[in-house]
Parts: sequence; C-alpha cells; structure tokens
Amino acid sequence: GIQVEQSPPDLILQEGANSTLRCNFSDSVNNLQWFHQNPWGQLINLFYIPSGTKQNGRLSATTVATERYSLLYISSSQTTDSGVYFCAVNTGFQKLVFGTGTRLLVSP
Amino acid sequence: NAGVTQTPKFQVLKTGQSMTLQCAQDMNHEYMSWYRQDPGMGLRLIHYSVGAGITDQGEVPNGYNVSRSTTEDFPLRLLSAAPSQTSVYFCASSNRGTHTGELFFGEGSRLTVL
Repeated sequence: GIQVEQSPPDLILQEGANSTLRCNFSDSVNNLQWFHQNPWGQLINLFYIPSGTKQNGRLSATTVATERYSLLYISSSQTTDSGVYFCAVNTGFQKLVFGTGTRLLVSP
Repeated sequence: NAGVTQTPKFQVLKTGQSMTLQCAQDMNHEYMSWYRQDPGMGLRLIHYSVGAGITDQGEVPNGYNVSRSTTEDFPLRLLSAAPSQTSVYFCASSNRGTHTGELFFGEGSRLTVL
C-alpha cells in the first residue's frame, strides 16, 4: 500500500519562528489533506490541497503531486500552534492514509 | 452546525463486553468512515461506507462491525472487546462535491478495555 512519511518527527520552536513540515508519499493520490491535532485531541482541517498552493493566515501549504510531496509552512509561530500535524492522502472512496505526524512544541 | 457528532466521548469496558460507538452527521454527506488512533501514531481506517446500505473494510477491520441504514448514522460495534482495542476512535464524513475527499472528523471517543 501507499506509504506516507512526514518529517521532522519532532520540532521545537520559539514563539515567532517560522517552520516547514514535509510530507512525502510513495504513489499517486487523489488528494491530500493537512490536519492539526490540538492538545485536546481534536482534529482540525487545515488544508485540502491535491495540488498547488493555498494560504490561510499564517499557514500555507504547497503540494507538488508529480513529485509526490507536500509542504506545510507555519510563519510567526504561536504557542497555540503546538500539537501534532498530520498529512493524509486519499487513495479512493475517501479512504485516507495518514502519516505518523510531526509533533510541534512552540515555547513562549 | 453540529457537523460530525460522536458518542460517548469516554468509555471503559471489561474484556468480552460489547458496545456501540455512535456517529451522526448532519451535512448530508455520502461517505462516512471510522478510524482508530493509537499512541504516537496516525489514524488507521477501520471501516467505511459510500452510502446507505453499503459498507466495506479498511486497514484494521478485525473485531469491529458496522452498518449504514441511514445517510446520517454510522455506528461502530465492538462485539467482544479486547485490550488491543483500547484506542481513540474517530468518525469522519465527506461529500462527493467540489471538495471530494475532504474529510471532516468528529471529536473522538476514547475507549479503554481492561
């Protein structure tokens, strides 16, 4: 089956710093989503991004489907950005395959 | 907008007991699915449904049953709970619209099997 790898596995930032999270996938996919799992366990949709670039405030994402990777950019990080960031790829019928996540800690 | 609603949020079972995790969505989504999340891992697909009356297995279906009698509801049944089923369970739904495949998740149900 398709493999989804995320890097780095852990990331510690000072408030205000920028970061880039990467998601590589091993095969063609129908689409890709980025999620933020907050410290309370809730999964929050960040981006639905099968290709191209999208921006939402301090966050933006780029997917290059032909090269099988996606990037999530976080600028001017805040403590509320802490949590785990997952990318998930859709292999058909909305069956998502998740990466193992990047755990982000933003310290004041 | 309620979105995807899961109940209960927390449950403790003894080995061998049965229970049903409820999931309801009010977005008229065709697709619904159940995932489990184990510590330090991403989510893994248990079962999914592409419409009322149609279900299929995901990556980790053993020990779980599902049915889809209505568009809104997609319950997950554990017939004989085992400690290996201790996990956080997430229900999700999506639509076959312009954002096909964009999944929306419930808040999760934390299950402990003793």
